Amino acid sequence: GAVVSQHPSRVICKSGTSVKIECRSLDFQATTMFWYRQFPKQSLMLMATSNEGSKATYEQGVEKDKFLINHASLTLSTLTVTSAHPEDSSFYICSAVPGGSAVNTQYFGPGTRLTVL
Amino acid sequence: GNSVTQMEGPVTLSEEAFLTINCTYTATGYPSLFWYVQYPGEGLQLLLKATKADDKGSNKGFEATYRKETTSFHLEKGSVQVSDSAVYFCALRRILTGNQFYFGTGTSLTVIP
Repeated sequence: GAVVSQHPSRVICKSGTSVKIECRSLDFQATTMFWYRQFPKQSLMLMATSNEGSKATYEQGVEKDKFLINHASLTLSTLTVTSAHPEDSSFYICSAVPGGSAVNTQYFGPGTRLTVL
Repeated sequence: GNSVTQMEGPVTLSEEAFLTINCTYTATGYPSLFWYVQYPGEGLQLLLKATKADDKGSNKGFEATYRKETTSFHLEKGSVQVSDSAVYFCALRRILTGNQFYFGTGTSLTVIP
């Protein structure tokens, strides 16, 4: 089946630094990738939709200058948390939609746990 | 607005017990409804879905029926196995809002032998 990986799985950083999270579709090309954020005991919240070769579409309330998304190829999207602060600590999950598939057919990565000290 | 509420866990059951995880939703219009499952160390996987009222989604012995009158999509399985231990997420998607999925908080299930 379709596999999506995320790297790193866990990251701890100091306040003020930037952190890059990678999302890769390993055995298919993804024209669309999604980035979600999950707080403890809360639901996944869609942060942005990333389309290959174009600017990401951010959900209301998500700062595009803080959460930089780059979908440079059909198998890779990156989320960079710039100038991270403790309130950015969360579980970040990406998903990818194979080219030509309906959005319902999204495959999720295992997530990245970010802790900002 | 759109939201999903599912029963809080964790849920612990003995093998072969009956499972119900409740899920209710709030949405305008006619959303599609989903159950996703996340096994330890893995990403979320689509378990089953239903796209219109009275549809029943089923997979791997799990079932859920789209009930518009009660705005519910409860997940059931007649006889759980240890391998069903995972976190289950209920979700909805409104076509008119494009790609927006709304997820519940997840329910952790542990099945003991």
